[in-house]
Parts: sequence; C-alpha cells; structure tokens
Amino acid sequence: QLQLQESGPGLVKPSETLSLTCSVSGGSISRSSYYWGWIRQPPGKGLEWIASIYYTGRTYYNPSLKSRVTTSVDTSKNQFSLSLSSVTAADTAVYYCARPYGPQQLVPFDSWGQGALVTVSS
Amino acid sequence: EIVMTQSPATLSVSPGERATLSCRASQSVSSNLAWYQQKPGQAPRLLIYGASTRATGIPARFSGSGSGTEFTLTISGLQSEDFAVYYCQQYNNWYSFGQGTKLEI
Repeated sequence: QLQLQESGPGLVKPSETLSLTCSVSGGSISRSSYYWGWIRQPPGKGLEWIASIYYTGRTYYNPSLKSRVTTSVDTSKNQFSLSLSSVTAADTAVYYCARPYGPQQLVPFDSWGQGALVTVSS
Repeated sequence: EIVMTQSPATLSVSPGERATLSCRASQSVSSNLAWYQQKPGQAPRLLIYGASTRATGIPARFSGSGSGTEFTLTISGLQSEDFAVYYCQQYNNWYSFGQGTKLEI
C-alpha cells in the first residue's frame, strides 16, 4: 500500500527557506509516471496547490508561488522535496505531499501524506 | 487563475437527510472537477473526480453532477461520519480549490 510521509523543520524564521521532503513507500517514484504534488493549508483555511513534480524533475508550479519554489527528486531514496524561499508568516501552514490517481497528468490526488505543520516565526 | 467559489460556507443538516453543496468556477473547467472530504486533523480524501465519478471505495450516497462552471455534490442519507469540510477542486488549468463548505449537524 502506498504511503507518503512529510518531514522537515517545524519552525522556520522569516526570510529564510522552508525545506520539506516527502518519503514514498509501497511504490517506486522512478518506475511510476505520476506527477507528485505539494499542497498546503494554513491553519483554519483552505487548500492551496504549490507544485507537481515528475520523477525526471519536470515540475509544474502554482504561478503565484513559482518565483519562490524549488523542487527536486531523489529516486535512489524514493523521495521528492520542496523548498520555499523568503518565507513570511503567511507561509505558516500544514504542508502535504500527495499522489494523483492517474499517471502522466495533473489529476486529483487520491493518496496523501499526513501533513507537516511548518510555522514561520522568529 | 481559475477561482472556485463554494456555497454555502456552512450547511446544517440532520442525520439521514440529504445535503447539497455547490461549487462555481470563474470560467469553464469542463468536467475536470473533483470533490474532497476533510475531517479535523486529517488529510483530504478524494470523493469524486470527473465531476461525477466516485473514487475507489466511496459509498454510493455521494454523488456529483455538473459541467462547465456549475457543480453540485449531493450526499444522501447523511451519516454521522459525513459531517466534515468539503472542498471542490478544478484541474482543467493547473489546480485550484474552493474555500470549503462545512457540513455540520
């Protein structure tokens, strides 16, 4: 059964870079053809898509965040990662990694990690 | 950016009754519309995709309809575990989510 697990610092200072990793088990990132996603949710608010990354590294970004987002894939570790630069308090959120239900396209996500709360504060 | 607007923000319904949730897109998304359920402290759960196709394991009491800019999620015979927040999501042009409808008892 596919499992996703987010990891990274729970506290980041303003203006610094937020970095998260999603570890995938029960399936191979490199032997599948999915666009693995990052989605966030500020406390008490709705969902916002951040980016979706293919195992080759090809990435689609939310235009509103693109200038601050960097993604990467480590197929040897079966992980993919997110970096968000110049963070402010508005970036405080639960960050989810997820996999869409279908390969090779941007379609809804049917497998999600449990989420990682990242707080931006000095 | 396609803006998704859900209504109402909060819906109060009794167990056993029917709930109807609405989602409107700022421009046509064809049938590229999904619905998610989220309970406190949990990740969202995919219910419906393609506007009307139930995801794997989703009970038949959940149904979706609509196309273009107007969509509806109907939950028939509400059960206690159905009280949660529901989000619509378009995937016709990248992804964007509605702000959510809280379904309460």
